[in-house]
Amino acid sequence: DIQMTQSPSTLSASVGDRVTITCRASQSISTWLAWYQQKPGKAPKLLIYEASSLESGVPSRFSGSGSGTEFTLTISSLQPDDFATYYCQQYNSYLYSFGQGTKLEIK
Amino acid sequence: EVQLVESGGGLAQPGGSLRLSCEASGFIFSNFDLIWVRQAPGQGLEWISYISSSGRSMYYADSVKGRFTISRDNANNSVLLQMSSLRAEDTAIYYCSRPRPTSGWYPKSAFDIWGHGTKVTVSS
Repeated sequence: DIQMTQSPSTLSASVGDRVTITCRASQSISTWLAWYQQKPGKAPKLLIYEASSLESGVPSRFSGSGSGTEFTLTISSLQPDDFATYYCQQYNSYLYSFGQGTKLEIK
Repeated sequence: EVQLVESGGGLAQPGGSLRLSCEASGFIFSNFDLIWVRQAPGQGLEWISYISSSGRSMYYADSVKGRFTISRDNANNSVLLQMSSLRAEDTAIYYCSRPRPTSGWYPKSAFDIWGHGTKVTVSS
């Protein structure tokens, strides 16, 4: 099974900051990686697919990069609506594992 | 509108059973794989099961293998998750999800459509 590890687990930042979240896969997954945003009591929302493709309707301040085993999600200028929990997910395997999540908190 | 709606959650006793349903609308259901994902209270997302568009291929996370069974009824646009031998650690919100349409050669995709979830509580 492919293990996904995110860092950090918690990130404190301010509106306007640039932040980066990292996701590492236990084996190469090419670019078959997605990023999701989840707010309390809500279903996850797809932000990025295929490591760097922006889902329709997602603000351009979100970007993704990486391939193989190391990936990043960057938010270029944090907005109040961005404080949430973020998850990576691999879809290289049919055992669609998620990272443990990164909670983005207001500093 | 493309939509997934889960139902069937509730309270079950340890060792008991529940059957969750996910009903789809707004898209050609038989063209899409589906997965179930759960989220225990205060915890992260856990993928637990996959079923192919035809229903011929299924996969499970180790945490539910041998206890949960996924199936689908393409005539009625629904996917089921039969849960048995329930444990306290199965307590979670259960989501079904559909992937983006695939393009090109790769058969898998990220998941853009999610239901609202159904809550399962396992407790005596």
